[in-house]
Amino acid sequence: AAGVIQSPRHLIKEKRETATLKCYPIPRHDTVYWYQQGPGQDPQFLISFYEKMQSDKGSIPDRFSAQQFSDYHSELNMSSLELGDSALYFCASSLTKREGRGSYNEQFFGPGTRLTVL
Amino acid sequence: QKEVEQDPGPLSVPEGAIVSLNCTYSNSAFQYFMWYRQYSRKGPELLMYTYSSGNKEDGRFTAQVDKSSKYISLFIRDSQPSDSATYLCAMSEGTGGFKTIFGAGTRLFVKA
Repeated sequence: AAGVIQSPRHLIKEKRETATLKCYPIPRHDTVYWYQQGPGQDPQFLISFYEKMQSDKGSIPDRFSAQQFSDYHSELNMSSLELGDSALYFCASSLTKREGRGSYNEQFFGPGTRLTVL
Repeated sequence: QKEVEQDPGPLSVPEGAIVSLNCTYSNSAFQYFMWYRQYSRKGPELLMYTYSSGNKEDGRFTAQVDKSSKYISLFIRDSQPSDSATYLCAMSEGTGGFKTIFGAGTRLFVKA
């Protein structure tokens, strides 16, 4: 079965550079989530999109922006990179079924993009 | 104080033991309570979820939610070496685009 695709898998950047991470959700999934996971840390929710509109926002720095395109893929743009931005960035996708309360729309996680800022 | 607190362990148990993993939380608006399993260098995988309070069982796994105490648990019966992984609790106020808050994750080692 098709899974969430993230590219690139590894990225090395210098301080103050920019980076763009891409996420291709599972076909027919309409919701995308971005998470940042530092070494030994829990995944921190950054932002999510449903049907190309931002649906929720977490601890995403102002230096970061994201969007979901017409084909439902999403990109996370990161500018003025800092050493502390080094982390594993996960994208997850789900199909938002409006089945009423109690029905959870499972998030399927991609393999992650490992960003190293030197 | 973090919204979701989870003991990072590590927790080491012998094969066949019953494992108990727990999380506490502070946001009373959380409605969905999930348990994810994460292997090294991989993305988290959903094990099970519970809506509101109550218990849910799936094979060797049982999830419990006590909203009055803001406390959730995951029990693993007859633990196997293949269960060795990091277990993360996660919570959200809604589903379908709502932000999900994860606990720190508990590293579990099951010794053969």
